[in-house]
Amino acid sequence: KAGVTQTPRYLIKTRGQQVTLSCSPISGHRSVSWYQQTPGQGLQFLFEYFSETQRNKGNFPGRFSGRQFSNSRSEMNVSTLELGDSALYLCASSLLRGDEKLFFGSGTQLSVL
Amino acid sequence: EDQVTQSPEALRLQEGESSSLNCSYTVSGLRGLFWYRQDPGKGPEFLFTLYSAGEEKEKERLKATLTKKESFLHITAPKPEDSATYLCAVQAAGNTGKLIFGQGTTLQVKP
Repeated sequence: KAGVTQTPRYLIKTRGQQVTLSCSPISGHRSVSWYQQTPGQGLQFLFEYFSETQRNKGNFPGRFSGRQFSNSRSEMNVSTLELGDSALYLCASSLLRGDEKLFFGSGTQLSVL
Repeated sequence: EDQVTQSPEALRLQEGESSSLNCSYTVSGLRGLFWYRQDPGKGPEFLFTLYSAGEEKEKERLKATLTKKESFLHITAPKPEDSATYLCAVQAAGNTGKLIFGQGTTLQVKP
C-alpha cells in the first residue's frame, strides 16, 4: 500500500512568487491536513480538508490556501512568498475526520530566497 | 490558549540506559494525546494515542502514560535505532482534525 506522496520534494522560489504543493493521500483516505514545520515554531496546523471541503483552519494569513479534489488529492498554494515561508510543508491523511492515526508524507522543503 | 511543552529538548543516552520524555499540555477539553516519532528527512510516524488519565500504551521498548496535565514516554533499554525526534500532540474537544504539537525531544542513543 503506497504511503502519502508529496511533490515536489524540494522547491526554491524567490520573494513575491507563488507556489503550489501537491499531496496524494493513501488510497481510501478521505481526510487530508497540512502542517508547516520550522526549527523555531515546530509543527503548526495549516488546514484540514474532508470531502472537498475545508473543515478546519489554523492561524495563517490568507496567502495560504488549499483545496481538495474529488479523488481526495489535495493542493496547497502560497501566494506572494515571504522569506519566513521557508519551511517543510507536511501533508497527512487519515481514513476519516478525527482519526487518531495520521499518516504523514515526507514533505516538501520550500526555500524562499 | 491550547499549548504543548516538551522536555528536555535533547537527550543523549547510552544504549540500555532507560529514561523518560515529558509532555505537558494545556487544552480546553482533551480529545486525545498523540505521540509521534520523526526521523531526519521524513514525516512524523504515529506511535500512540491516549484518551484519558491513567491510560497506558506500550510498543516494544516504548511506554506512554497520561495524567490530567502531562504525558510521559518511557524508553526502556533503548537501542541506537531508537534515535529520533519524539513529538507530542494534543487534539482539543470540538476541534477535530487539528493537532497542536510540542517542539519535540531529540533523542540520541549511543552504542
